[in-house]
Parts: sequence; structure tokens; C-alpha cells
Amino acid sequence: NAGVTQTPKFQVLKTGQSMTLQCAQDMNHEYMSWYRQDPGMGLRLIHYSVGAGITDQGEVPNGYNVSRSTTEDFPLRLLSAAPSQTSVYFCATLPNFPQNSPLHFGNGTRLTVT
Amino acid sequence: AQTVTQSQPEMSVQEAETVTLSCTYDTSESDYYLFWYKQPPSRQMILVIRQEAYKQQNATENRFSVNFQKAAKSFSLKISDSQLGDAAMYFCAYRSAEWGGSEKLVFGKGTKLTVNP
Repeated sequence: NAGVTQTPKFQVLKTGQSMTLQCAQDMNHEYMSWYRQDPGMGLRLIHYSVGAGITDQGEVPNGYNVSRSTTEDFPLRLLSAAPSQTSVYFCATLPNFPQNSPLHFGNGTRLTVT
Repeated sequence: AQTVTQSQPEMSVQEAETVTLSCTYDTSESDYYLFWYKQPPSRQMILVIRQEAYKQQNATENRFSVNFQKAAKSFSLKISDSQLGDAAMYFCAYRSAEWGGSEKLVFGKGTKLTVNP
């Protein structure tokens, strides 16, 4: 069981470039989400999905795009990278039940935008 | 919207001693779940302990225990017999039990724990 697989682990982009962070899960969890982690800011929710075909914005959605065409995959797209998007990105999944289930995290992607 | 506050950006403890990390939260809900996550330098997010709000008994996992005070909206983590491997960032998190809110967690800003030999 791979759990939550995030790729790539590291990425360096130039300002204005676009890229997609991949996230795949094999646990059949209904909920998937993307968080960014910045020093002193904790983890902040970017976008989330409650099922295939359904996505919604989190706390910090600007500059990011998501789609969920299957239960397994939830890619995060940076449309035009900016230095403010330098961060560590986590994909996480959550089953609908039981509700005391914790988030299952991928190993994170460290993104640097120059 | 719910908020989670960790008032201690950094803490330190001597090896084998006990340390308590603070977490308070704000919610109008009566049913919810609380979690502590550990993030070592490897960046991996590891679940330490969880607490259901409807349970009065404080959760315990080996050397880790919580002091859950529902009325005070407080959820502190106590680490006993601290070990060098406990050095990490610790995040407190809240999950709603209500429909339309349970699909995500709200995190505090974290506490960096240093363990001194």
C-alpha cells in the first residue's frame, strides 16, 4: 500500500513558469486536499475535494488550480509561478468515515520560485 | 470559522524530562476531533495522538498524553521522558464533525521542540 504519493519531491521554477504537482492515493479516500507550509504560518489549506468532479477553495487558493477527475488523483497546478509561492506543499487525504480519522499526508514537495 | 492557536513558537526540554505544548482553539461546535501531529526534519507528518470531543477521558499513547479541557477549549500535549527523537515541529489540528466541515483540518502554526542531551 503506497498511501499518498506526491511528486516531485523538489522543484525549482522561474517566475512566470507553470507546473503541476501530482498527488495520487490508493486508499479510496473521498476527501483530498492541498496544504502549503510556510515558516511561522503552519499549514494552510489551498484547495480541497470531497469527491471526483467536486473541488472547492480553501484559505489561500489564489494562483492555484485543481481538478479531480478520478478518486485517486488530485493534481495542483501553478498557472504562473511567483516567488510568494515558494513553500512546501503537502497533499493529504481523509476518509469520510470514521470521522476521528486523521489526515494521511504525502511526503511533501519543496518548491522554490526564483 | 474555527481557529487553532499554539502560543509557543519554540520550546526546549532536557532529555528524560517532561514538557507540555499548549494548544487552544475556537469553535461554536459541540462535536469535533483534535489531533497532534509531529513533523521531524524529514518533513514527514506523523500522527501523535487524537481526541474525540465527546470523550471526557484524556487520550494517551505511550509517553504522549493530552489534557483536554473542553469548556476552556484547550488541548495540550504532554511528552514524558523526552527523547532526542522527539525533537520536531508539533502541530495541533481541529476537525469538525459537522457535515460540510469535516472534509478538512485546521492547523495551528506549530511549536518547535528542541530536546537537549
